[in-house]
Amino acid sequence: DAKTTQPNSMESNEEEPVHLPCNHSTISGTDYIHWYRQLPSQGPEYVIHGLTSNVNNRMASLAIAEDRKSSTLILHRATLRDAAVYYCILRDAGGTSYGKLTFGQGTILTVHP
Amino acid sequence: DAGITQSPRYKITETGRQVTLMCHQTWSHSYMFWYRQDLGHGLRLIYYSAAADITDKGEVPDGYVVSRSKTENFPLTLESATRSQTSVYFCASSEGLASYNEQFFGPGTRLTVL
Repeated sequence: DAKTTQPNSMESNEEEPVHLPCNHSTISGTDYIHWYRQLPSQGPEYVIHGLTSNVNNRMASLAIAEDRKSSTLILHRATLRDAAVYYCILRDAGGTSYGKLTFGQGTILTVHP
Repeated sequence: DAGITQSPRYKITETGRQVTLMCHQTWSHSYMFWYRQDLGHGLRLIYYSAAADITDKGEVPDGYVVSRSKTENFPLTLESATRSQTSVYFCASSEGLASYNEQFFGPGTRLTVL
Protein backbone atom coordinates (compact mmCIF):
# COMPACT_ATOMS: atom_id res chain seq x y z
CA ASP A 1 0.00 0.00 0.00
CA ALA A 2 1.20 3.49 -0.77
CA LYS A 3 2.14 5.36 2.41
CA THR A 4 1.09 8.70 3.76
CA THR A 5 2.97 11.18 5.93
CA GLN A 6 1.21 13.52 8.34
CA PRO A 7 2.43 15.85 11.08
CA ASN A 8 2.17 14.28 14.52
CA SER A 9 0.15 17.13 15.95
CA MET A 10 -1.45 20.48 15.17
CA GLU A 11 -3.22 23.11 17.20
CA SER A 12 -5.98 25.51 16.35
CA ASN A 13 -8.27 28.01 18.00
CA GLU A 14 -12.00 27.58 18.03
CA GLU A 15 -13.84 29.07 15.04
CA GLU A 16 -10.65 29.38 13.00
CA PRO A 17 -9.94 27.35 9.85
CA VAL A 18 -7.66 24.34 10.11
CA HIS A 19 -5.56 22.92 7.29
CA LEU A 20 -4.34 19.38 7.90
CA PRO A 21 -1.67 18.31 5.38
CA CYS A 22 -0.90 14.85 4.06
CA ASN A 23 1.91 13.79 1.77
CA HIS A 24 1.55 10.71 -0.42
CA SER A 25 4.31 10.92 -3.00
CA THR A 26 3.98 7.27 -4.08
CA ILE A 27 0.24 7.44 -4.77
CA SER A 28 -0.90 5.46 -7.79
CA GLY A 29 -3.26 6.77 -10.41
CA THR A 30 -6.22 4.79 -9.08
CA ASP A 31 -5.77 5.42 -5.35
CA TYR A 32 -8.55 7.33 -3.64
CA ILE A 33 -7.56 9.67 -0.80
CA HIS A 34 -9.70 9.12 2.28
CA TRP A 35 -9.78 10.98 5.56
CA TYR A 36 -11.10 9.53 8.78
CA ARG A 37 -11.02 10.94 12.27
CA GLN A 38 -11.21 9.36 15.69
CA LEU A 39 -12.61 11.28 18.60
CA PRO A 40 -11.48 10.26 22.08
CA SER A 41 -12.87 6.88 23.13
CA GLN A 42 -14.80 6.44 19.90
CA GLY A 43 -14.45 4.47 16.71
CA PRO A 44 -13.02 6.04 13.55
CA GLU A 45 -15.43 8.19 11.59
CA TYR A 46 -15.39 8.82 7.85
CA VAL A 47 -14.80 12.47 6.94
CA ILE A 48 -14.30 12.79 3.19
CA HIS A 49 -12.65 11.23 0.16
CA GLY A 50 -11.54 12.26 -3.31
CA LEU A 51 -9.63 11.12 -6.37
CA THR A 52 -8.44 14.13 -8.36
CA SER A 53 -10.76 17.07 -7.90
CA ASN A 54 -11.32 19.07 -4.74
CA VAL A 55 -14.29 17.85 -2.74
CA ASN A 56 -16.65 19.47 -0.25
CA ASN A 57 -19.15 18.00 2.15
CA ARG A 58 -20.91 19.11 5.29
CA MET A 59 -17.96 18.21 7.48
CA ALA A 60 -14.94 19.43 5.55
CA SER A 61 -13.23 20.16 2.26
CA LEU A 62 -10.48 18.17 0.60
CA ALA A 63 -7.94 19.96 -1.55
CA ILE A 64 -5.86 17.67 -3.76
CA ALA A 65 -2.66 18.86 -5.40
CA GLU A 66 -2.53 18.76 -9.16
CA ASP A 67 0.15 16.04 -9.12
CA ARG A 68 -1.83 14.20 -6.38
CA LYS A 69 1.27 13.80 -4.26
CA SER A 70 -0.26 15.74 -1.42
CA SER A 71 -3.65 16.75 -0.09
CA THR A 72 -5.07 18.99 2.61
CA LEU A 73 -8.12 18.46 4.76
CA ILE A 74 -9.76 21.77 5.54
CA LEU A 75 -12.04 22.33 8.51
CA HIS A 76 -13.55 25.73 7.81
CA ARG A 77 -14.42 26.66 11.39
CA ALA A 78 -12.94 24.42 14.04
CA THR A 79 -15.04 23.59 17.06
CA LEU A 80 -14.05 21.87 20.28
CA ARG A 81 -15.80 18.77 18.97
CA ASP A 82 -13.29 18.61 16.09
CA ALA A 83 -10.46 17.72 18.50
CA ALA A 84 -9.49 14.24 17.31
CA VAL A 85 -6.86 12.18 15.55
CA TYR A 86 -7.13 12.68 11.79
CA TYR A 87 -6.00 9.92 9.47
CA CYS A 88 -5.14 10.31 5.80
CA ILE A 89 -5.52 6.95 4.05
CA LEU A 90 -5.01 5.78 0.49
CA ARG A 91 -7.44 3.20 -0.83
CA ASP A 92 -6.27 1.26 -3.84
CA ALA A 93 -8.57 0.10 -6.57
CA GLY A 94 -8.74 -3.50 -5.41
CA GLY A 95 -6.43 -6.40 -5.81
CA THR A 96 -5.29 -7.89 -2.55
CA SER A 97 -6.29 -5.06 -0.25
CA TYR A 98 -9.71 -6.67 0.51
CA GLY A 99 -11.03 -3.33 1.61
CA LYS A 100 -8.51 -2.99 4.41
CA LEU A 101 -8.03 0.51 5.72
CA THR A 102 -4.39 1.08 6.65
CA PHE A 103 -4.32 3.60 9.47
CA GLY A 104 -1.03 5.38 10.14
CA GLN A 105 -0.28 7.43 13.22
CA GLY A 106 -2.42 10.34 12.09
CA THR A 107 -2.41 13.96 13.23
CA ILE A 108 -3.60 14.83 16.72
CA LEU A 109 -5.63 18.02 16.41
CA THR A 110 -6.02 20.14 19.54
CA VAL A 111 -8.62 22.91 19.46
CA HIS A 112 -8.31 25.71 22.00
CA PRO A 113 -11.37 27.63 23.23
CA ASP B 1 -31.72 2.76 15.92
CA ALA B 2 -29.89 2.56 12.63
CA GLY B 3 -26.17 2.10 12.73
CA ILE B 4 -23.55 -0.27 13.96
CA THR B 5 -23.41 -1.40 17.56
CA GLN B 6 -20.99 -3.46 19.58
CA SER B 7 -21.40 -5.32 22.83
CA PRO B 8 -20.18 -5.43 25.45
CA ARG B 9 -18.47 -2.04 25.52
CA TYR B 10 -16.09 -3.18 28.24
CA LYS B 11 -14.99 -6.68 29.18
CA ILE B 12 -12.51 -8.08 31.67
CA THR B 13 -11.66 -11.75 31.42
CA GLU B 14 -8.96 -14.18 32.44
CA THR B 15 -6.33 -15.97 30.41
CA GLY B 16 -7.68 -19.12 28.81
CA ARG B 17 -11.34 -18.15 28.85
CA GLN B 18 -13.49 -17.94 25.75
CA VAL B 19 -14.85 -14.49 24.95
CA THR B 20 -17.27 -13.41 22.22
CA LEU B 21 -17.56 -9.82 21.05
CA MET B 22 -20.77 -8.96 19.23
CA CYS B 23 -21.29 -6.65 16.28
CA HIS B 24 -24.62 -5.72 14.71
CA GLN B 25 -25.38 -3.40 11.79
CA THR B 26 -28.74 -2.24 10.48
CA TRP B 27 -27.76 -1.06 6.99
CA SER B 28 -27.66 -4.52 5.38
CA HIS B 29 -24.09 -3.85 4.28
CA SER B 30 -22.49 -6.84 2.62
CA TYR B 31 -19.04 -6.30 4.06
CA MET B 32 -18.06 -6.36 7.71
CA PHE B 33 -14.68 -6.08 9.38
CA TRP B 34 -13.01 -6.58 12.72
CA TYR B 35 -10.02 -4.41 13.68
CA ARG B 36 -7.98 -4.18 16.84
CA GLN B 37 -6.30 -0.98 17.99
CA ASP B 38 -3.16 -1.00 20.08
CA LEU B 39 -0.74 1.76 20.99
CA GLY B 40 2.11 1.80 18.51
CA HIS B 41 0.30 -0.37 15.96
CA GLY B 42 -2.68 1.67 14.92
CA LEU B 43 -5.69 -0.30 13.68
CA ARG B 44 -5.03 -3.77 12.29
CA LEU B 45 -7.51 -5.94 10.42
CA ILE B 46 -8.31 -9.27 12.08
CA TYR B 47 -11.02 -10.75 9.85
CA TYR B 48 -13.46 -9.57 7.26
CA SER B 49 -16.61 -10.94 5.67
CA ALA B 50 -18.02 -10.36 2.20
CA ALA B 51 -21.48 -11.79 2.92
CA ALA B 52 -23.27 -14.27 5.13
CA ASP B 53 -21.20 -17.44 5.45
CA ILE B 54 -18.21 -15.86 3.66
CA THR B 55 -15.29 -14.85 5.85
CA ASP B 56 -11.55 -14.46 5.38
CA LYS B 57 -8.44 -13.64 7.35
CA GLY B 58 -6.93 -10.22 7.68
CA GLU B 59 -3.49 -9.24 8.96
CA VAL B 60 -3.66 -10.67 12.50
CA PRO B 61 -6.17 -13.57 12.61
CA ASP B 62 -4.35 -15.95 14.97
CA GLY B 63 -6.31 -16.72 18.12
CA TYR B 64 -9.60 -15.42 16.73
CA VAL B 65 -12.63 -17.06 15.13
CA VAL B 66 -15.51 -15.36 13.30
CA SER B 67 -18.84 -16.41 11.92
CA ARG B 68 -21.51 -14.71 9.85
CA SER B 69 -24.76 -16.67 9.79
CA LYS B 70 -26.80 -13.49 9.24
CA THR B 71 -25.89 -10.43 7.20
CA GLU B 72 -26.38 -8.08 10.14
CA ASN B 73 -24.25 -9.89 12.71
CA PHE B 74 -20.53 -10.58 12.78
CA PRO B 75 -19.36 -11.97 16.14
CA LEU B 76 -15.67 -12.29 17.00
CA THR B 77 -14.62 -15.08 19.37
CA LEU B 78 -11.39 -15.42 21.27
CA GLU B 79 -11.32 -19.17 21.88
CA SER B 80 -8.68 -19.04 24.62
CA ALA B 81 -7.89 -15.46 25.55
CA THR B 82 -4.28 -14.39 26.07
CA ARG B 83 -2.88 -11.22 27.60
CA SER B 84 -1.61 -10.11 24.19
CA GLN B 85 -5.24 -9.89 23.09
CA THR B 86 -5.87 -7.04 25.50
CA SER B 87 -6.92 -4.30 23.09
CA VAL B 88 -9.74 -2.14 21.82
CA TYR B 89 -11.75 -3.96 19.15
CA PHE B 90 -13.69 -2.15 16.44
CA CYS B 91 -16.24 -3.60 14.11
CA ALA B 92 -16.95 -1.87 10.79
CA SER B 93 -19.24 -2.32 7.82
CA SER B 94 -19.24 -1.18 4.21
CA GLU B 95 -21.39 -1.46 1.12
CA GLY B 96 -18.47 -2.68 -0.94
CA LEU B 97 -14.72 -2.98 -1.27
CA ALA B 98 -14.28 -0.39 -4.00
CA SER B 99 -11.71 2.25 -3.23
CA TYR B 100 -14.42 4.90 -2.94
CA ASN B 101 -16.50 2.96 -0.38
CA GLU B 102 -16.39 4.32 3.15
CA GLN B 103 -16.40 2.15 6.24
CA PHE B 104 -18.64 2.77 9.20
CA PHE B 105 -17.21 1.90 12.59
CA GLY B 106 -18.85 0.86 15.81
CA PRO B 107 -18.01 2.43 19.18
CA GLY B 108 -15.54 -0.30 20.12
CA THR B 109 -15.13 -2.91 22.84
CA ARG B 110 -12.33 -2.47 25.34
CA LEU B 111 -11.11 -5.94 26.31
CA THR B 112 -8.74 -6.63 29.17
CA VAL B 113 -7.28 -10.11 29.62
CA LEU B 114 -5.78 -10.70 33.06
